Amino acid sequence: EAGVTQSPTHLIKTRGQQATLRCSPISGHTSVYWYQQALGLGLQFLLWYDEGEERNRGNFPPRFSGRQFPNYSSELNVNALELEDSALYLCASRRGGEVSYGYTFGSGTRLTVV
Amino acid sequence: AQSVTQLGSHVSVSEGALVLLRCNYSSSVPPYLFWYVQYPNQGLQLLLKYTTGATLVKGINGFEAEFKKSETSFHLTKPSAHMSDAAEYFCAVSDEGNYGQNFVFGPGTRLSVLP
Repeated sequence: EAGVTQSPTHLIKTRGQQATLRCSPISGHTSVYWYQQALGLGLQFLLWYDEGEERNRGNFPPRFSGRQFPNYSSELNVNALELEDSALYLCASRRGGEVSYGYTFGSGTRLTVV
Repeated sequence: AQSVTQLGSHVSVSEGALVLLRCNYSSSVPPYLFWYVQYPNQGLQLLLKYTTGATLVKGINGFEAEFKKSETSFHLTKPSAHMSDAAEYFCAVSDEGNYGQNFVFGPGTRLSVLP
C-alpha cells in the first residue's frame, strides 16, 4: 500500500508570507497528525484531525491552522511566517480508534523561512 | 499526564557492540509503547511496539525492547551495532485512556556507530 505522502518536499518562504503543506494518509486511515520538528527541539505536536474535525491542537499560536478534507487528506497552513517556523513538518496517520497500531509517518516537508 | 524521558541525547557505540537506548515513561493507565527510528532528512519509521502480552518485543533490523512495568521502562537493545543503525531514535507512549489525543514522544537519542 502507498505510504503517507507529503508535499512539497521542500518549501522556501519569506518572513510574513503564508505556507501551505499537504498530507495524504494511508488509504483507510482517518486520523491525521501534524508535528513540527525544529532543530534541537524534538517532535512538537501541532494538530490532530479525525473524521474531518480538529480534535486537538498543541501549544502553537493560531497562525498555525489546518483542515481535513472528506477524503481524509489534510492541509497545514502557517500564516505570517517567522524565522523560527523553519523546521521539518511531519504528518502521520493511523486508523481511527486503533491507538495500538501506532502512527505511520510521511517523509516530511522541510520549510525554510528567510 | 503522560511523559517520556530518554536518558542520553547522544549515544556512541563501536560497530559490533551492544546498543542500549533507555526510555522511561509515566502513564496513569497501562500504556502502549513504541520505538521509532529517524534517518537523516526522513520521517519516522516504526521499529517495534508493545501493546499487550509478551513483554519482550522484537522489531525490525534486529532490535528488541522489554516492557518492565515495575521500572516503568521500555529500553531498546540490539546485540551488535551496524553502521547503518546510526540514526535518531524516539520512544513514544500512548494509552486507551487518552484515546487518540496524541502520542507523547521522548526527546530522542542520536545513535552514532564508530568503525
